[in-house]
Amino acid sequence: RKEVEQDPGPFNVPEGATVAFNCTYSNSASQSFFWYRQDCRKEPKLLMSVYSSGNEDGRFTAQLNRASQYISLLIRDSKLSDSATYLCVVNLDSSYKLIFGSGTRLLVRP
Amino acid sequence: GAVVSQHPSRVICKSGTSVKIECRSLDFQATTMFWYRQFPKKSLMLMATSNEGSKATYEQGVEKDKFLINHASLTLSTLTVTSAHPEDSSFYICSAIFPGLAGETQYFGPGTRLLVL
Repeated sequence: RKEVEQDPGPFNVPEGATVAFNCTYSNSASQSFFWYRQDCRKEPKLLMSVYSSGNEDGRFTAQLNRASQYISLLIRDSKLSDSATYLCVVNLDSSYKLIFGSGTRLLVRP
Repeated sequence: GAVVSQHPSRVICKSGTSVKIECRSLDFQATTMFWYRQFPKKSLMLMATSNEGSKATYEQGVEKDKFLINHASLTLSTLTVTSAHPEDSSFYICSAIFPGLAGETQYFGPGTRLLVL
């Protein structure tokens, strides 16, 4: 079983749509959780950290369910510029070693 | 602006040659840097943790004699792919821990595309 699993997609949605991505992780000892965004042939960039209480940053909302070992990302009012691959990332301990999911690809069409 | 740079951005080499990739932290000191590899449509896989002034820590399955890491200063880590083979062709990305007011964040370099012919 992969340590971090994501639906690869692609999710093809119209502008303005709401889209949700899910992610599961296998190690219950995981401590920190993140969503990164990666554009084609570019490095990943931090989108947001994910906190137990859930957190929101503009059109983006992240949720964490430790009991189910499940992380989600909700994007409201999708923009064309949101088209990218979204990586679910987990940190097991304080060593900063990150475990990446293989990513979910989002395509936002006009 | 960028906080981590990599050089070169892309490189093509012949099988059997060695390739050095540099990772630099810009305007901050990074005692720890990480090296990742990403194959097409796959996730980033951590190869090793680069520690300034000491030996790198390699992940299971990564050959330390093939992927030489040197972290000789607080702003520079290098990854040398020795005796490169076509299967080493990949996207190599480094990252560094950036200390900030809100805690420490890991920033990634722009990556180096390696093609071994």
